[in-house]
Order: sequence, then C-alpha cells, then structure tokens
Amino acid sequence: EDQVTQSPEALRLQEGESSSLNCSYTVSGLRGLFWYRQDPGKGPEFLFTLYSAGEEKEKERLKATLTKKESFLHITAPKPEDSATYLCAVQVSGGGADGLTFGKGTHLIIQP
Amino acid sequence: GAVVSQHPSWVICKSGTSVKIECRSLDFQATTMFWYRQFPKQSLMLMATSNEGSKATYEQGVEKDKFLINHASLTLSTLTVTSAHPEDSSFYICSPLGNEQFFGPGTRLTVL
Repeated sequence: EDQVTQSPEALRLQEGESSSLNCSYTVSGLRGLFWYRQDPGKGPEFLFTLYSAGEEKEKERLKATLTKKESFLHITAPKPEDSATYLCAVQVSGGGADGLTFGKGTHLIIQP
Repeated sequence: GAVVSQHPSWVICKSGTSVKIECRSLDFQATTMFWYRQFPKQSLMLMATSNEGSKATYEQGVEKDKFLINHASLTLSTLTVTSAHPEDSSFYICSPLGNEQFFGPGTRLTVL
C-alpha cells in the first residue's frame, strides 16, 4: 500500500528562522511527488512537482528536493505570510490516470 | 497554471436532501477529473476519478450510488451528494488531470 508520512505535524518558527519539512514515502513506483500549500478553507495551491531522485526546484524562499525515499521542503528566512499547512503527495506509476495520495501535512506557523 | 472553479463555494442543507457541486476547468480541456474530500484537520482523500463520456471509478469505501459523478464535457464535472447526512459534511475539492495537478478552491458542505 502506498504511504506518505510528513513530519513534523506542526512547526512554529520565528521570522527568519530557516527549517525543513520532511515527506517520506513508500510506493510501488513513483511517477511524481508534489508539494502544495493550503490555507484554511481553501484548496491546495500547487508549489512543485519532482520526478526523479536528485531533482531540486526552487521558488522564492522555498526549495524542494527528492531522494528515493523522501523529499524535503526547505524554507529559508520565512516570513509570517508563509504560515500555512504544507502538503506532500505522490502519484504512482501505473497504466492509467491516478489520483494523488496525500500525507497529513505540516502545519507551519511563522511568528513575527 | 490551470484555472479551476467550483460552485458553490459553500452550501448548507438539511439531512436527506441532495446537493450538486460543479467543477469547471476554465482554461484547458480536462479529460479526467479527480474528486477529493477533506474532513476537518485531516488531509485530502481521493474519492473518485471521472473520465469524460464514461463512468467514474470510485475508491474503496466510497459509495458510488451516494456520490454521483457526471463528466459530460471536457470543461465540466459535477458531483452530486444524494440523500446527504451529517457525516457527509466535508470539504469537497476537484482536480483536473495535468502535469502540475492544480486544484479547485473547494466546496464546503454542511449537512444539518
């Protein structure tokens, strides 16, 4: 069974304090690993897709990396507006179109 | 990125009534649409996959007769919750199949 585990469940940082969120996964075959940001009462906002081990992508203060077992979302010098729940999801390789399997998310709070 | 809209954004209904949720892909043709739901403080769970012009496939534990999905065109998919009960109260989100897997803004359903 495909599994996605995110840690920590919650993280409180001071503004400017860099940190990393972890997403470990166990899948039969990885087609892609996705990172999303979700604000309360809203749909997930797409951040990154990673396809193969060693791949890295950056966007503003965020950088996502991927290995064969896990992915990290690095947040550099975060600001209060980065506060949100960050979701990791995997899409497995198969014969047809497959939806995503999500982790439970990391609730990030950035204090000014 | 893909622009996805949902209507209504929120709905309150009485137990036993049916509710229809529309999901529109505004800027590209979605041959496949994924429907997810998210209970409070939990992550997204895939409910079903709909393909334009054919029957939807449902994940294990999701009642196909309760959650009717119609994907009549490449830009519109609908989810009808029939005979809704309080336990169906949730956040319903659609996502058209694509490389970056964008999501709609979600529909909050509250069943009294």
